[in-house]
Amino acid sequence: DIQMTQSPSSLSASVGARVTITCRASQTITTYLNWYQQKPGKAPKLLIYAASTLQSWVPSRFSGSGSGTDFTLTISSLQPEDFATYYCQQNYNAPQTFGQGTKVEIK
Amino acid sequence: QVQLQESGPGLLKPSETLSLTCTVSGGSISSHYWTWIRQPAGKGLEWIGRIHISDNTIYNPSLKSRVTMSLDTSTNQFSLKLNSVTAADTAIYYCARDPASDAFDYWGQGTLVTVSS
Repeated sequence: DIQMTQSPSSLSASVGARVTITCRASQTITTYLNWYQQKPGKAPKLLIYAASTLQSWVPSRFSGSGSGTDFTLTISSLQPEDFATYYCQQNYNAPQTFGQGTKVEIK
Repeated sequence: QVQLQESGPGLLKPSETLSLTCTVSGGSISSHYWTWIRQPAGKGLEWIGRIHISDNTIYNPSLKSRVTMSLDTSTNQFSLKLNSVTAADTAIYYCARDPASDAFDYWGQGTLVTVSS
């Protein structure tokens, strides 16, 4: 199985801050990397697919980058509605696997 | 707008079989892959497997010996069976759509399944 490792596991940031979350795959996955946002008690929502393509509902302050084994999710200016847990997921091959999640909390 | 809704028993005893159904509305189940994912309380996400109308079914090797997925085009539903459950199978179970194995773009709200004697 491809292991997905996110860092940090949690972070505390203020509204307006720039936030970066990293996801590393245990082997190359080209750009078969997706990001999800999950709020408490809710199902995850697809945020970014194919490493850098935003879903239609996603504000432009979100961006994704990377290829191969190293990927980044960036929020350029954190907003109150962005406090959530973020997961990366590889769909390069089965079993599709997720990172352990990064919880973004209010500072 | 595509919507998914999980249904099934919320409480099982060890060794019983978990049976969940996902009802899809706003789109045909004859297109795309359909996936089950689970999440133990306070923990991360685990992909259980996916199914396609072409009978292309893939299961997570960690669960493969206990999992069966099926599709019913007449009711626009797909199902998950997981046998010989233990407390380790306690989790929120989600169904999701996976268009051409790109990403999970639509999710059900999730259903909590608890395994306890």
